[in-house]
Amino acid sequence: IAGITQAPTSQILAAGRRMTLRCTQDMRHNAMYWYRQDLGLGLRLIHYSNTAGTTGKGEVPDGYSVSRANTDDFPLTLASAVPSQTSVYFCASSDPMRGRNYGYTFGSGTRLTVV
Amino acid sequence: RKEVEQDPGPFNVPEGATVAFNCTYSNSASQSFFWYRQDCRKEPKLLMSVYSSGNEDGRFTAQLNRASQYISLLIRDSKLSDSATYLCVVNSNRDDKIIFGKGTRLHILP
Repeated sequence: IAGITQAPTSQILAAGRRMTLRCTQDMRHNAMYWYRQDLGLGLRLIHYSNTAGTTGKGEVPDGYSVSRANTDDFPLTLASAVPSQTSVYFCASSDPMRGRNYGYTFGSGTRLTVV
Repeated sequence: RKEVEQDPGPFNVPEGATVAFNCTYSNSASQSFFWYRQDCRKEPKLLMSVYSSGNEDGRFTAQLNRASQYISLLIRDSKLSDSATYLCVVNSNRDDKIIFGKGTRLHILP
């Protein structure tokens, strides 16, 4: 693994089903994030975690939950998927200890379609 | 005023030309600024950080104007491979989260 790995790459999901999107990083970054990206709306923050054991809500958290049991993994769960959750989901990480100018590293995304 | 605002474009520019676009931000206390590049159906990738004194990386120059609260990206001698969406990113300072603009689409024409 180099950087951030997301799985699956894409998924078609029936409405009402539960789904977990996986995100793993090997950079030992403390902070991790989940974004969704929709046409015309840009990237919107769903949930974040500043360090292992802590999580917080972003701009659009409803219908999603996260956990951060360790530094490397940050899974995103849709408890009961709805069509409005059709989107591209990006996981990202950062290391605030390196300073403010290093930005975020993104995974390659999960394209989710809820039907 | 939106936290981070960009002209969505598209900017259609002939190969070899110079193109520049701006991004405005609302929080005067913002400290960190970035330009990201996103190719179609790919993840955003950091292009460059924007420093107070301005900075240059090859054909790319980024500038920060704190008084008018905008950052700019200049691309010289544009290449076909520069075609992408360019995202402006600003540190919100309220909670150290960064805010993404919706992006400016750039098409370099042969």
